[in-house]
Amino acid sequence: AQSVTQPDIHITVSEGASLELRCNYSYGATPYLFWYVQSPGQGLQLLLKYFSGDTLVQGIKGFEAEFKRSQSSFNLRKPSVHWSDAAEYFCAVGAPGGDYKLSFGAGTTVTVRA
Amino acid sequence: NAGVMQNPRHLVRRRGQEARLRCSPMKGHSHVYWYRQLPEEGLKFMVYLQKENIIDESGMPKERFSAEFPKEGPSILRIQQVVRGDSAAYFCASSPEPDNYGYTFGSGTRLTVV
Repeated sequence: AQSVTQPDIHITVSEGASLELRCNYSYGATPYLFWYVQSPGQGLQLLLKYFSGDTLVQGIKGFEAEFKRSQSSFNLRKPSVHWSDAAEYFCAVGAPGGDYKLSFGAGTTVTVRA
Repeated sequence: NAGVMQNPRHLVRRRGQEARLRCSPMKGHSHVYWYRQLPEEGLKFMVYLQKENIIDESGMPKERFSAEFPKEGPSILRIQQVVRGDSAAYFCASSPEPDNYGYTFGSGTRLTVV
């Protein structure tokens, strides 16, 4: 069974500073990997996903993530945070090959200070 | 093109009452998934439905919970005789195909049992 760990429950970052959110997964092979963002009162929005190929994935809103097989990690990064990036971020994994169930981490809440 | 619509946004029920959560998928999407987010936890898969069929209910609690997706109208998640532990955010997602996780999530229904 797959599982996801997001070690940081809450991160506070200054506007304009860089951001990195950690995600570690447990799965027997290379899973499909996702990052979602949930702004207050909104649904989950897909930031980016990794299925195969280039291990550095570009997403929307200036986010990127890097898949590191040796570390079973898929960390999310943004070089310069904007106040609108304050939200909750979820990492998720899914089994390749026609499955549909995602396993989510518990989320990391990002606070942006002026 | 409206997204996935969930209503109500917030629902308060007393212990022992019934809760009915509705989800209208995106136009053209015939696959619906329900996830539950308990406090301090990530989203957990509950059930996958197509029109008039339950495909996978492996994540549904065995008692009091049921789901349907009729030929006409929204998908309904029904919780009978609610208890405090049912308090959570319930998210619906839809997709045009069942694989590759092409989800669009709704904004969720926050159920509070008092």
